[in-house]
Amino acid sequence: SQQGEEDPQALSIQEGENATMNCSYKTSINNLQWYRQNSGRGLVHLILIRSNEREKHSGRLRVTLDTSKKSSSLLITASRAADTASYFCATANRDDKIIFGKGTRLHILP
Amino acid sequence: DAGVTQSPTHLIKTRGQQVTLRCSPKSGHDTVSWYQQALGQGPQFIFQYYEEEERQRGNFPDRFSGHQFPNYSSELNVNALLLGDSALYLCASSFGTGRRTEAFFGQGTRLTVV
Repeated sequence: SQQGEEDPQALSIQEGENATMNCSYKTSINNLQWYRQNSGRGLVHLILIRSNEREKHSGRLRVTLDTSKKSSSLLITASRAADTASYFCATANRDDKIIFGKGTRLHILP
Repeated sequence: DAGVTQSPTHLIKTRGQQVTLRCSPKSGHDTVSWYQQALGQGPQFIFQYYEEEERQRGNFPDRFSGHQFPNYSSELNVNALLLGDSALYLCASSFGTGRRTEAFFGQGTRLTVV
């Protein structure tokens, strides 16, 4: 079963613009992670935010977490063509069982 | 430092056959999780191995079984293959349990059942 649900399911933006993806989840978590997947291959870990953190940055990535609303957002600033991929949020429970959402397909237009 | 490696990368099997997929975790990692990803969907958790034992299991039938070896590598076995088992199978490794560590994924094995 899916825990997280990303929104939107698909997103197309112009190169240079910012991309924002949202994730909602249902149960309590230890941490929330964002992953990128290119062309149905392996997942690349982007960023992990712990349940006691509210915001985290990594390069052009900014992740926020609101545990009261059970939601998270991923912001990619100054998007590039190489950012075209599917993005997944994944929540980890106390036993490190990681559950993924269905993903957001991001397409960067030249 | 080698990351998570999976073999084979692609596999074609006939319905009813059995298949074994292999995963070597990232150096220093001792926990291996397996996921099934159907086309256009997010990865679905199959099970997790730690200290050579299955610790957690997702909603998959007993046809899916696994094993973890003393060197932390792992195998996923699927018996009596169905057409619906066609998917990308992903292995993820991490260190310890309950330590809030990130998981690293391999490139996956693309299984096609015909």
